[in-house]
Amino acid sequence: NAGVTQTPKFRVLKTGQSMTLLCAQDMNHEYMYWYRQDPGMGLRLIHYSVGEGTTAKGEVPDGYNVSRLKKQNFLLGLESAAPSQTSVYFCASSPWGTESQPQHFGDGTRLSIL
Amino acid sequence: SQQGEEDPQALSIQEGENATMNCSYKTSINNLQWYRQNSGRGLVHLILIRSNEREKHSGRLRVTLDTSKKSSSLLITASRAADTASYFCATDHMDSNYQLIWGAGTKLIIKP
Repeated sequence: NAGVTQTPKFRVLKTGQSMTLLCAQDMNHEYMYWYRQDPGMGLRLIHYSVGEGTTAKGEVPDGYNVSRLKKQNFLLGLESAAPSQTSVYFCASSPWGTESQPQHFGDGTRLSIL
Repeated sequence: SQQGEEDPQALSIQEGENATMNCSYKTSINNLQWYRQNSGRGLVHLILIRSNEREKHSGRLRVTLDTSKKSSSLLITASRAADTASYFCATDHMDSNYQLIWGAGTKLIIKP
């Protein structure tokens, strides 16, 4: 049981390049999330999804797009990378519940924008 | 905006001692969760305490919740080198059953 898998683990981009971060979960969870983690700060929510085919903006969505075509996958795209997007990106998933449930995290993608 | 704020930001203790971390939040919650993050890894859920609970235990972990003070504490007893990690609290909204809001974390170092 792999849980939440993120690819790639590391990536260096040049300003203006685009890329897609992949997240896959095998727990049949309804909810999926993309966060960024910067030094000295907590996790900040970029986008999230409450089910297949649905996405919504989080706290810091600018410069990112997402898609959830299949329940188990949640993709995060950077159309034109900027140095301010240098960060560690975490994907997480959680099951449905009448109140918030524990989130399961991948090990992150470390992204540097030069 | 951050809902949970941990205190202290960093804590260094000797192996075998107890470690206490605190979390304060601003609005009403359904539950509060604590997570651990080892260096270079993702976050791992430790314990969830509901708003109608005052204390919860899991192994060497003890979590308390005081909704009147909007605060929680995480106690790790008999610390081990493997407990070295960052610890985060996360709270939800009363009107959201899926979003969490995260504090900046407490970095715990256990000295051998």
